Amino acid sequence: EAGVAQSPRYKIIEKRQSVAFWCNPISGHATLYWYQQILGQGPKLLIQFQNNGVVDDSQLPKDRFSAERLKGVDSTLKIQPAKLEDSAVYLCASSLVTGGFNYGYTFGSGTRLTVV
Amino acid sequence: TQLLEQSPQFLSIQEGENLTVYCNSSSVFSSLQWYRQEPGEGPVLLVTVVTGGEVKKLKRLTFQFGDARKDSSLHITAAQPGDTGLYLCAGARDSNYQLIWGAGTKLIIKP
Repeated sequence: EAGVAQSPRYKIIEKRQSVAFWCNPISGHATLYWYQQILGQGPKLLIQFQNNGVVDDSQLPKDRFSAERLKGVDSTLKIQPAKLEDSAVYLCASSLVTGGFNYGYTFGSGTRLTVV
Repeated sequence: TQLLEQSPQFLSIQEGENLTVYCNSSSVFSSLQWYRQEPGEGPVLLVTVVTGGEVKKLKRLTFQFGDARKDSSLHITAAQPGDTGLYLCAGARDSNYQLIWGAGTKLIIKP
């Protein structure tokens, strides 16, 4: 089966500019996650969708970050305006959950964002 | 507060040696997963353990879930350079399907 697709792979922007990331999850995976991973650390959850509804966005800096999942499939994550501390890898993951059991996440390759 | 503590944070050993990395918590998890992440890629699921005391083997990798479902270990026998990567553990606690992530163990196997 096709994996989780993310684009772009790399992005360099100046602070205060805006940027958008795109994710296409595995077909049939209702749950989609956006994570931020700073070099050398574990992933930090930004937002979780179940179909096209938000389950958890408690760690999303809502003054600058926004995300949507139209029609419960593709998703976009936007940062506006970007700060230097937003430099990180942004990972999208999807998961198959059935019978109350999470069968593990499938991650995309991520977008490496550098804010200068 | 880091709910899942991984140790060591960094490990560099020679090819052929054995090693164990640990994932510890004071919280009980319904299941625990191990992932490996290579540079420039997303984490890849290696295994899920569900039952307290469960042991799973994946070729030279042995995963164990603690009896109380609060901790886990990953043992690699005869490590190879291809085992190099960031090893992440992640625990599931409830039905919102979120995982609690450790900070990872960066493993380097030198030829």
